[in-house]
Amino acid sequence: AQKITQTQPGMFVQEKEAVTLDCTYDTSDQSYGLFWYKQPSSGEMIFLIYQGSYDEQNATEGRYSLNFQKARKSANLVISASQLGDSAMYFCAMRGMKTSYDKVIFGPGTSLSVIP
Amino acid sequence: NAGVTQTPKFQVLKTGQSMTLQCAQDMNHNSMYWYRQDPGMGLRLIYYSASEGTTDKGEVPNGYNVSRLNKREFSLRLESAAPSQTSVYFCASSAYRDNQPQHFGDGTRLSIL
Repeated sequence: AQKITQTQPGMFVQEKEAVTLDCTYDTSDQSYGLFWYKQPSSGEMIFLIYQGSYDEQNATEGRYSLNFQKARKSANLVISASQLGDSAMYFCAMRGMKTSYDKVIFGPGTSLSVIP
Repeated sequence: NAGVTQTPKFQVLKTGQSMTLQCAQDMNHNSMYWYRQDPGMGLRLIYYSASEGTTDKGEVPNGYNVSRLNKREFSLRLESAAPSQTSVYFCASSAYRDNQPQHFGDGTRLSIL
């Protein structure tokens, strides 16, 4: 069975500082994809970054990067130079590509607050 | 561009009533999903459809049914609503490729009294 764990219900970070949001996962699939989404207070889901299980390099998208450690089954999101607009809920998600083809599950999320 | 459209946006039901939530996407996506979002629990997968004509149970399917009417539309039905089904419901779709993210609708806020 697939499972996503995000152990930080809430995080605070000072503006312009970097922050790491944790995500660990469990799956029996050898091939899978990992996604991070942002949900501001307005409620929409915004895609941030993707990491494939066979990607050798950590994914980066602007101020977002993934610290992917496959053996430890972790895919932590790093946000550099935090901005006030980064205050939101952040969700880690996993897509199965073999036995659970195209099933996408989410973790419980981390609420990030950026302090001026 | 419409993307993923959910109707209605808000609904109040009485316990025992039935209701169908509608979802349509105009991006020619193969895969469609229904989630519920409750405080502190993230998005939990109810049902999904990896292609037209197929549906599969997610993490919390009890009390729900779905229909993949065609490639564009994926509906979620509550046959006999219960207060525990009070939640925000999101529909999502994605293309048939590993690295393609999901596109989400605006959500339906459902209250069951």
